[in-house]
Amino acid sequence: QSVLTQPPSVSAAPRQKITISCSGSNFNIGSNYVSWYQKLPGTAPKLLIYDNDKRPSGIPDRFSGSKSGTSATLGITGLQAGDEADYYCATWDRSLTAVVFGGGTALTVL
Amino acid sequence: QVQLVESGGGVVQPGRSLRLSCAASGFTFTSHGMHWVRQAPGKGLEWLVVISYDGSKKYYADSVKGRFTISRHNSMNMLYLQMNSLRAEDTAVYYCAKDQGMVATGIEYWGQGTLVTVSS
Repeated sequence: QSVLTQPPSVSAAPRQKITISCSGSNFNIGSNYVSWYQKLPGTAPKLLIYDNDKRPSGIPDRFSGSKSGTSATLGITGLQAGDEADYYCATWDRSLTAVVFGGGTALTVL
Repeated sequence: QVQLVESGGGVVQPGRSLRLSCAASGFTFTSHGMHWVRQAPGKGLEWLVVISYDGSKKYYADSVKGRFTISRHNSMNMLYLQMNSLRAEDTAVYYCAKDQGMVATGIEYWGQGTLVTVSS
């Protein structure tokens, strides 16, 4: 059972948009920045969003992040086949003094 | 550019030890916290431990506290993970990762990982 809660899966057709939620508590999301990662099979995770809503250079603006209270959201617009991957949220938990990850969300592009 | 190259993985028997290494380059190693994260087959990402930029602070996940030890050699740009009393459930790909800041602001770069298999 992960400290951060994500839906196990989400799906949509190409060119559509999706959102992935990440729910936590005041100890983690409510008091720290959230990051989002994309994980393709057999490859290293890649940072998509940091500090809740910032994109590293090279990440297209189809990817966006937001945070409100104890929840965060990753948005992806203009879905492409190459976006099929697992997506994880993460943040620091000040009660556990640990980095906590969501359980991951598998994105299927239909 | 940032490079993190893990080594030291392999097959090890339950109860034995293994030390993973991570060679870092392309950034000021002495200014960043460093993490180890793993992914077991078919499972999600599991954070294990972080060490501060100067090695003074270390925070561990409960799942490895007392069995795993993180360390760093700043003059050699190296990160290590000493894993003792290994169990079958420790079988995973282990990733070395660089933090944005000096301790645990957020993971921003990951190595390619090294596979550890614990099996008799």
